[in-house]
Amino acid sequence: NAGVMQNPRHLVRRRGQEARLRCSPMKGHSHVYWYRQLPEEGLKFMVYLQKENIIDESGMPKERFSAEFPKEGPSILRIQQVVRGDSAAYFCASSLRYEQYFGPGTRLTVT
Amino acid sequence: DAKTTQPNSMESNEEEPVHLPCNHSTISGTDYIHWYRQLPSQGPEYVIHGLTSNVNNRMASLAIAEDRKSSTLILHRATLRDAAVYYCILRDYTGTASKLTFGTGTRLQVTL
Repeated sequence: NAGVMQNPRHLVRRRGQEARLRCSPMKGHSHVYWYRQLPEEGLKFMVYLQKENIIDESGMPKERFSAEFPKEGPSILRIQQVVRGDSAAYFCASSLRYEQYFGPGTRLTVT
Repeated sequence: DAKTTQPNSMESNEEEPVHLPCNHSTISGTDYIHWYRQLPSQGPEYVIHGLTSNVNNRMASLAIAEDRKSSTLILHRATLRDAAVYYCILRDYTGTASKLTFGTGTRLQVTL
């Protein structure tokens, strides 16, 4: 049973470009969460989605960030017009109910 | 989510037991106690969770105080691979699945 998959593992973008981060949850998991970890800081919740629905987006920045979890395919975290402050590790997690299983993360570097 | 308090860091010798404490004096009756850990350059990893009774699994044991205001994660024989940041997190179980609120955790160093 494959774990949570994230791709790409490393992503480099210039300021102003768009970044798309993908997350494939564990088989059978219908809950997906995105977290961000800035350099030398703790993990911060961003958004919680179920299939085709955003359940909790209280941690999402108001502008430039969006997330989706379509009926088919992976969950996508999209960052438009990236800035240097967006450089961080972005982790996706999936769950059935209680335990969350995390992916290896995507490390975004904005130059 | 109710707040938890953990020591910033702890050290242990390899092959010895490690007791990682967590205080959660404002825990509510519907909060589960969860532990996750994050190894260097990796995503967090679920360790264990419990409500009232002590819990054991292949990774660790969780000892919960009778008044539930504190708990202790026990690694029975620390190895170098257990060096990580350990997070104690409270989650309300009355609703459906919900976000994890990570604090600063305890950085565990394991030495030979």
